Amino acid sequence: QQQVKQSPQSLIVQKGGISIINCAYENTAFDYFPWYQQFPGKGPALLIAIRPDVSEKKEGRFTISFNKSAKQFSLHIMDSQPGDSATYFCAASKGGKSTFGDGTTLTVKP
Amino acid sequence: GAGVSQSPRYKVAKRGQDVALRCDPISGHVSLFWYQQALGQGPEFLTYFQNEAQLDKSGLPSDRFFAERPEGSVSTLKIQRTQQEDSAVYLCASSGGGEAFFGQGTRLTVV
Repeated sequence: QQQVKQSPQSLIVQKGGISIINCAYENTAFDYFPWYQQFPGKGPALLIAIRPDVSEKKEGRFTISFNKSAKQFSLHIMDSQPGDSATYFCAASKGGKSTFGDGTTLTVKP
Repeated sequence: GAGVSQSPRYKVAKRGQDVALRCDPISGHVSLFWYQQALGQGPEFLTYFQNEAQLDKSGLPSDRFFAERPEGSVSTLKIQRTQQEDSAVYLCASSGGGEAFFGQGTRLTVV
């Protein structure tokens, strides 16, 4: 049973474009929804996170949209840059324990 | 230290060998997590410590996996009689109550 489903598996975007990654979860007990960025050979690093009482959170070029009724959330990367090329993971957490999606490999073409 | 430190970075083990993976969390962080990340997949939860207490070990795949954190700081993940399916990156994360910080992981290859 996959509790967090992430799509797409891979994404290619032109520099300056918008990257959108979607996730869906099943367990309504989750109370914290982080997005992580991972570069090859490195551990995941927290990018931005949201709690379910908020529908949107923006930090710089990164925005999370959260739909509690649909149990879906998404990451939007505005003005995508080649340096954003990495693997992105959504996660759903309860009590600090996170369940991760399978990741999206983002390639931003110059 | 400045971040979560894991050692060794790479480990090659022969099938059947025992291995021990070390995690040095950020100083003062109460919570410590171990995750297993298979190639091309997201991390999967293994176990969780709050100080020296192992509060959740529901993700450990078999009784060959054992984790400890005896003094509430450094943690060791031990895998006995390694199998090929144990090949993965093992990630450690620590938290002081907010954001979780991950180490770079230990890549275990069982041959």
